[in-house]
Amino acid sequence: GNSVTQMEGPVTLSEEAFLTINCTYTATGYPSLFWYVQYPGEGLQLLLKATKADDKGSNKGFEATYRKETTSFHLEKGSVQVSDSAVYFCALSVKGRGGSEKLVFGKGTKLTVNP
Amino acid sequence: NAGVMQNPRHLVRRRGQEARLRCSPMKGHSHVYWYRQLPEEGLKFMVYLQKENIIDESGMPKERFSAEFPKEGPSILRIQQVVRGDSAAYFCASSPIGEANTIYFGEGSWLTVV
Repeated sequence: GNSVTQMEGPVTLSEEAFLTINCTYTATGYPSLFWYVQYPGEGLQLLLKATKADDKGSNKGFEATYRKETTSFHLEKGSVQVSDSAVYFCALSVKGRGGSEKLVFGKGTKLTVNP
Repeated sequence: NAGVMQNPRHLVRRRGQEARLRCSPMKGHSHVYWYRQLPEEGLKFMVYLQKENIIDESGMPKERFSAEFPKEGPSILRIQQVVRGDSAAYFCASSPIGEANTIYFGEGSWLTVV
């Protein structure tokens, strides 16, 4: 089946620390991969995506590389800020009925950045 | 261009009541998805609709839950005879063409059953 496994949180870092949130997936075929961010009390926002192997998605200092050989899509940021405190979700796309695509999410990793 | 609009943002219902959640997709989007986020969990797919058609409801509970997307008006997720386990955040997403990398999420509706 299709599934996403993320490192369990919560993760607590000091400002300017390096961030890695691990994500591995199981999928049939070649899905697109996504990272979404959810700030407290808000909906999901797309952070970055990669649609094929070896693609690197990047946005707001975050980046992740689609690694087919290790079925991974780890999220990294070189220097986190307090404003990065949120829950981060890794997701993959799967084909649904009727030809559409839908998303399969990991459980999320809560990040807290302290000043 | 307004984003995906959901209402209400917060809803409290007593056990046994009905909950109706509304979603207006982004302008020009004819594909709507509903996802549910239980406490401390990731989002789980519930249903995918196009105008007047349910395309994929493989994630919907078999009883008490229904969804529609009429020709005119918003998509509605309806939960009858709510129970405490229905307490969750319900997110609507829309897409112009049903592809995952074109999906935009609304801000969610938080249902609390007391």
